[in-house]
Amino acid sequence: AQSVTQPDARVTVSEGASLQLRCKYSYSGTPYLFWYVQYPRQGLQLLLKYYSGDPVVQGVNGFEAEFSKSNSSFHLRKASVHWSDSAVYFCVSGSWQLIFGSGTQLTVMP
Amino acid sequence: NAGVIQTPRHKVTGKGQEATLWCEPISGHSAVFWYRQTIVQGLEFLTYFRNQAPIDDSGMPKERFSAQMPNQSHSTLKIQSTQPQDSAVYLCASSLVGNTEVFFGKGTRLTVV
Repeated sequence: AQSVTQPDARVTVSEGASLQLRCKYSYSGTPYLFWYVQYPRQGLQLLLKYYSGDPVVQGVNGFEAEFSKSNSSFHLRKASVHWSDSAVYFCVSGSWQLIFGSGTQLTVMP
Repeated sequence: NAGVIQTPRHKVTGKGQEATLWCEPISGHSAVFWYRQTIVQGLEFLTYFRNQAPIDDSGMPKERFSAQMPNQSHSTLKIQSTQPQDSAVYLCASSLVGNTEVFFGKGTRLTVV
């Protein structure tokens, strides 16, 4: 069965700092992988997706993620965070039935 | 494009009452999904419709929960005899069939008192 693990429930960084949110997946093949963001009182929004090909995928608002089959990971990165990036980030696996990680609450300090 | 529309945004029901949640998918999207979000369990898949037909309801509790999609423009999730443990945010999502880019609504927060 597929599973997704986000080991960090909360991450706090200063504005302008770089960011990495960790994600590990469990799947025997090559999964479809996504990062979603949830702002307060907003719906989940897709940041980026990986199906195959180049392991580094670009998303919206300067986010990118790197797929590693050897490490079973799909970490999210951003070079310089803004206070408006504060939100909950979900790593997700699956196709039509999405398997969500537990989420990482990101707080960006001014 | 108004996105996926869910109504009501908040609903409070008494224990034992029925709750019906509504979802209007994005026009043209034939795949509709329901998820439930709680602090304890996180986000859980409930059910999936494709072209209005139920495809997978493996995440639905076996009792009291039912979902329907009577036409292309809306789906409902009905919970009979609501219990406090049903309190959650229920999320509806839609996508084009065969496309894994799923768009979520803002959710309905159900509180059972």
